[in-house]
Amino acid sequence: EDQVTQSPEALRLQEGESSSLNCSYTVSGLRGLFWYRQDPGKGPEFLFTLYSAGEEKEKERLKATLTKKESFLHITAPKPEDSATYLCAVQAEGYQKVTFGIGTKLQVIP
Amino acid sequence: GAVVSQHPSRVICKSGTSVKIECRSLDFQATTMFWYRQFPKQSLMLMATSNEGSKATYEQGVEKDKFLINHASLTLSTLTVTSAHPEDSSFYICSASVGTPSSYEQYFGPGTRLTVT
Repeated sequence: EDQVTQSPEALRLQEGESSSLNCSYTVSGLRGLFWYRQDPGKGPEFLFTLYSAGEEKEKERLKATLTKKESFLHITAPKPEDSATYLCAVQAEGYQKVTFGIGTKLQVIP
Repeated sequence: GAVVSQHPSRVICKSGTSVKIECRSLDFQATTMFWYRQFPKQSLMLMATSNEGSKATYEQGVEKDKFLINHASLTLSTLTVTSAHPEDSSFYICSASVGTPSSYEQYFGPGTRLTVT
């Protein structure tokens, strides 16, 4: 069974204080690893898809990286508007189902 | 990016009644749509996967007679919660995907908050 574990569960940063969120996964043949951002009371917003180890993708202050066992979401010089829950999910080869982690709740303090 | 809408955003219903939630892909045709529910401080739990024109595939533990899913077109899927009870109160979110050989991203709707009194 596919599993996704995210850490930490919650993270509090000062504005401008860079950090990383971790997503560890086990899957029988990775088709794709996804990062989403979710604001309270809203649906997840797509950020990145990573397909193979060594791949990196960037969007503004966010950078996602992937190894064979985990993915990191690096946040550089965060701003208060980056406060949200960040979800990681994996999809196995040959399957439509996507398995989500519980998320990391990020709070950026001005 | 792809846009997915859900309607209604909030609904309150009495115990024993049925509620229908619509999910639409606005600017693309979705080969597959998914329905999730999310409890506070918990991950998204997949309820079912539906492909246009075929019966939905339900996850283990999800009652297919209680949560009726219809995927009538490539842009519309509906979830009907039949004979709702207070324990069905939750945040329901749909997603839609377009599968290509090189990508398989899901785009989510804004969610529907269901409260059963």
